[in-house]
Amino acid sequence: DAGVIQSPRHEVTEMGQEVTLRCKPISGHNSLFWYRQTMMRGLELLIYFNNNVPIDDSGMPEDRFSAKMPNASFSTLKIQPSEPRDSAVYFCASSLGRGHDQPQHFGDGTRLSIL
Amino acid sequence: SQKIEQNSEALNIQEGKTATLTCNYTNYSPAYLQWYRQDPGRGPVFLLLIRENEKEKRKERLKVTFDTTLKQSLFHITASQPADSATYLCALVSNQGGKLIFGQGTELSVKP
Repeated sequence: DAGVIQSPRHEVTEMGQEVTLRCKPISGHNSLFWYRQTMMRGLELLIYFNNNVPIDDSGMPEDRFSAKMPNASFSTLKIQPSEPRDSAVYFCASSLGRGHDQPQHFGDGTRLSIL
Repeated sequence: SQKIEQNSEALNIQEGKTATLTCNYTNYSPAYLQWYRQDPGRGPVFLLLIRENEKEKRKERLKVTFDTTLKQSLFHITASQPADSATYLCALVSNQGGKLIFGQGTELSVKP
């Protein structure tokens, strides 16, 4: 079975550029999560969707961050404009149900570097 | 404020011994607690989920306990192997909104 697929795996771009991260969840999962991981702050939830609807975006750091889930098999996380402090590993995860009482399945992340 | 604490220092043990990792929390009343393993350059992988009314859960060489009085979960790996070397993360359900909050993780190193 294919797991959660994220692209790109690595992204290096200059400050001020728009960055788009992509995620394909596991087929049949109805919850999707975007996380950010840094050494200082660990793994933080940015936003999660249930049945393609954003449920909680309280972790989105600023208006520069936006996320969409146009259908059950695709989601994007966009940063515009990007800043060096956005450098981190961004993970997408999916699960059945709401995710807190079910395992979350993570992709291998996008390592983002903003110069 | 709500806090999840895991051993911040790396845990180094000898192959064959039991590894015990700790997850302490404050100002939470979690109904569930999850443990994940993360290898360098990879996403976390789910290991075990334990509910508040379950004191202990086992899966092969893994055992998790959940003490809601002490506000602590212990994660044990028996007969540890070098392949068990990784970072282990605990995660609790937030009181608000039901989202998972992760601890910082404990790095385990099993030496042959």
